[in-house]
Amino acid sequence: QSALTQPASVSGSPGQSITISCTGTSSDVGGYNYVSWYQQYPGKAPKLMIYEVSNRPSGVSNRFSGSKSGNTASLTISGLQAEDEADYYCNSYSSTNALERVFGGGTKVTVL
Amino acid sequence: EVQLVESGGGLVNPGGSLRLSCTVSGLTFSDAWMSWVRQAPGKGLEWVGRVKRKTDGGTTNYAAPVKGRFTISRDDSENTLYLQMNSLRTEDTAVYYCAKELRFHVAYWGQGTLVTVSS
Repeated sequence: QSALTQPASVSGSPGQSITISCTGTSSDVGGYNYVSWYQQYPGKAPKLMIYEVSNRPSGVSNRFSGSKSGNTASLTISGLQAEDEADYYCNSYSSTNALERVFGGGTKVTVL
Repeated sequence: EVQLVESGGGLVNPGGSLRLSCTVSGLTFSDAWMSWVRQAPGKGLEWVGRVKRKTDGGTTNYAAPVKGRFTISRDDSENTLYLQMNSLRTEDTAVYYCAKELRFHVAYWGQGTLVTVSS
């Protein structure tokens, strides 16, 4: 299965806003509102941050927001904090593979 | 509190077999679509496979790299998910996560278990 395309790294200073993109096709990101985002610290399990493009689970800071335009979904972190330094992965429903799911390659967020 | 606890990882020779288990608590396991996701050292997340709940047919689906070698099963009476891995290759070395799906996203993750395939 082809991975969704994410930038390898994004960085920002504390207090700034950053945006991570996740580009797919009309068979996944563009065709369905089933994009989710996960945060992962080194050596730890991923954690759900956004589901169904823009919904935040209970307990996730409102500094995290999601959106989608065409075949590209985005995760925005506002008011960047040191604790936001982690890897972030997008995931989407996909109509082109038996598992109906595809991950992005991951983005390393660095807080300068 | 929802908990997913994997076990069974370890070191295995290429061509060997291993069975992973995931014991689930804090949710109605029989209602859950359950998946395995893996992460090779220093790499990204990769879907391995999924088993649907029995009321949705209990069917399984697998990623192309593991199809025909890996088998996912479930025991709803024991709240346990399994991953039987045969004909293991060095490229199967990874942390394997048990995951509970909900409407096309992973709502809960286990802590992961490391599988190392090496001679």
